Amino acid sequence: EAGVAQSPRYKIIEKRQSVAFWCNPISGHATLYWYQQILGQGPKLLIQFQNNGVVDDSQLPKDRFSAERLKGVDSTLKIQPAKLEDSAVYLCASSHGTANTEAFFGQGTRLTVV
Amino acid sequence: GEDVEQSLFLSVREGDSSVINCTYTDSSSTYLYWYKQEPGAGLQLLTYIFSNMDMKQDQRLTVLLNKKDKHLSLRIADTQTGDSAIYFCAVTTNAGKSTFGDGTTLTVKP
Repeated sequence: EAGVAQSPRYKIIEKRQSVAFWCNPISGHATLYWYQQILGQGPKLLIQFQNNGVVDDSQLPKDRFSAERLKGVDSTLKIQPAKLEDSAVYLCASSHGTANTEAFFGQGTRLTVV
Repeated sequence: GEDVEQSLFLSVREGDSSVINCTYTDSSSTYLYWYKQEPGAGLQLLTYIFSNMDMKQDQRLTVLLNKKDKHLSLRIADTQTGDSAIYFCAVTTNAGKSTFGDGTTLTVKP
């Protein structure tokens, strides 16, 4: 089966600009996650969707980050405006269910804010 | 919230066993995972263990869980150069919220 697709792979923007990332999960996966992985650290959950509803967005900086999952399939994550500390790899993952099912990760989008 | 700690680096010789350790703080964590990340790639699930288990073996991989000490370990037998990567421990609650450690970089020397 096709894996989790993310685009773009790389993005360089100036601080205060806006950026959007796209994720297409594995077909049939109800749960979708966005993680932020800063260099040298483990992934940190930003937001978790179950179908098109938000399950957990407690660690999403809502003043600048937003995410949506229209129709419960594809998802976009937006940063507006970007800060230098947003430089990271943004990973999307999907799974059939939640805790007891395997999450499959995309290759990520590497964002550099200059 | 949950805190997950791992040692940062491990270096072994090819053919030796590798043991990667992880400690966590939330005793209600129900699922514990080990992921592998190679350069430029996403995370690949290696194995997982439920909190009601003490040990799980899967080919060259052995996971040990000590719930009393909140300690998880991953043993890789007969480590190969292809095992060189970053290994992440992740603990998950029933609600599906996962907390990752900062990863252990395993270097396998020929």
